[in-house]
Amino acid sequence: EAGVAQSPRYKIIEKRQSVAFWCNPISGHATLYWYQQILGQGPKLLIQFQNNGVVDDSQLPKDRFSAERLKGVDSTLKIQPAKLEDSAVYLCASSPAQGAIEAFFGQGTRLTVV
Amino acid sequence: ELKVEQNPLFLSMQEGKNYTIYCNYSTTSDRLYWYRQDPGKSLESLFVLLSNGAVKQEGRLMASLDTKARLSTLHITAAVHDLSATYFCAVDSNYQLIWGAGTKLIIKP
Repeated sequence: EAGVAQSPRYKIIEKRQSVAFWCNPISGHATLYWYQQILGQGPKLLIQFQNNGVVDDSQLPKDRFSAERLKGVDSTLKIQPAKLEDSAVYLCASSPAQGAIEAFFGQGTRLTVV
Repeated sequence: ELKVEQNPLFLSMQEGKNYTIYCNYSTTSDRLYWYRQDPGKSLESLFVLLSNGAVKQEGRLMASLDTKARLSTLHITAAVHDLSATYFCAVDSNYQLIWGAGTKLIIKP
């Protein structure tokens, strides 16, 4: 079974530039999560989708971050414009359904904002 | 607001020794997860604990859950170098995972 795929693996941008990350969850998984993991910290949930609907985006900085999951499969997370403090690893995870016992994580995208 | 605290945050130990990582959380929850993260890698699920008194073991790692004390432990028996990693606990809160800060474990040969 293929795992959660993310791209790119690494990205370096200047502050005020825009960036987008892509996630392809495990086939058939209805729930998709985007997490931000700052170095030395645990992941922080940014947004959770159930199929193509948003379940929770309370911790998403909506003035600069946006995410979509068209057709309930792939998802993109965008930052526009980026700030230095956005430097982090962005992890995508999926699970079969909301409340499912386990979530499976992709390898993440390491973003460096200079 | 649910808070999850791990301790210690950093642990350096010799091979062959035993040690325990603690995970305390602030409000009621019925699910607790332990994950492992190697440097530059993603998060690997180790254990899912679903009820009070749950105990799970895999190799040299054993996890337990006491929901009354709001405490989970991850015990390492006779540590080996391959177990060097960062270990996170995460607690389910209304189908969201709230994460501890992680325990960086270094096991010296």
